[in-house]
Amino acid sequence: AQKVTQAQTEISVVEKEDVTLDCVYETRDTTYYLFWYKQPPSGELVFLIRRNSFDEQNEISGRYSWNFQKSTSSFNFTITASQVVDSAVYFCALNSGGYQKVTFGIGTKLQVIP
Amino acid sequence: DAGITQSPRHKVTETGTPVTLRCHQTENHRYMYWYRQDPGHGLRLIHYSYGVKDTDKGEVSDGYSVSRSKTEDFLLTLESATSSQTSVYFCAISESISREGLEQYFGPGTRLTVT
Repeated sequence: AQKVTQAQTEISVVEKEDVTLDCVYETRDTTYYLFWYKQPPSGELVFLIRRNSFDEQNEISGRYSWNFQKSTSSFNFTITASQVVDSAVYFCALNSGGYQKVTFGIGTKLQVIP
Repeated sequence: DAGITQSPRHKVTETGTPVTLRCHQTENHRYMYWYRQDPGHGLRLIHYSYGVKDTDKGEVSDGYSVSRSKTEDFLLTLESATSSQTSVYFCAISESISREGLEQYFGPGTRLTVT
């Protein structure tokens, strides 16, 4: 069984603040993949990043960064100097067990206030 | 952007009527999925397909059936719609698992209201 927990249901920050979205996962498999998706108010789902269980190297892409820690089963997402356009629901997801199934967290709604 | 379309984009139907949602892709990806999105639940997998005529159930498959007669099309059918099936439905596609794993690309969604 696999599970993804996003404990923060809603977060509000003032523009230019940094914000971290938490993601904790559960799986018994040693090989697995983690993802983040963004869903802006327009409703579409946009793939942001994929990480596999063998690569704990953190990743930075512009103002976005991801911290993968197997020791705490976490895959947290940080937005630096947030902007209004970052307002969206962000989903963390997990694929493990070799099956073509991905389990999503319930999402964190981020509101960036100008 | 991945070439995924869903039709219809919006639909209102009455309880007990059959409804079919269509997902069409132009990417020739092997795997296709149907999810529903509801507040407090995130996205939940309804059914998925791993090839033409090959489908399997997800975690919330009761009341839904699917068919895939061509690589590019994946149909979701509600045989007799109920109010609990009011939701936003997303189709997704992905390629085979590789060393880098898979990521899914989503269609624009279909908002279904069952009255």
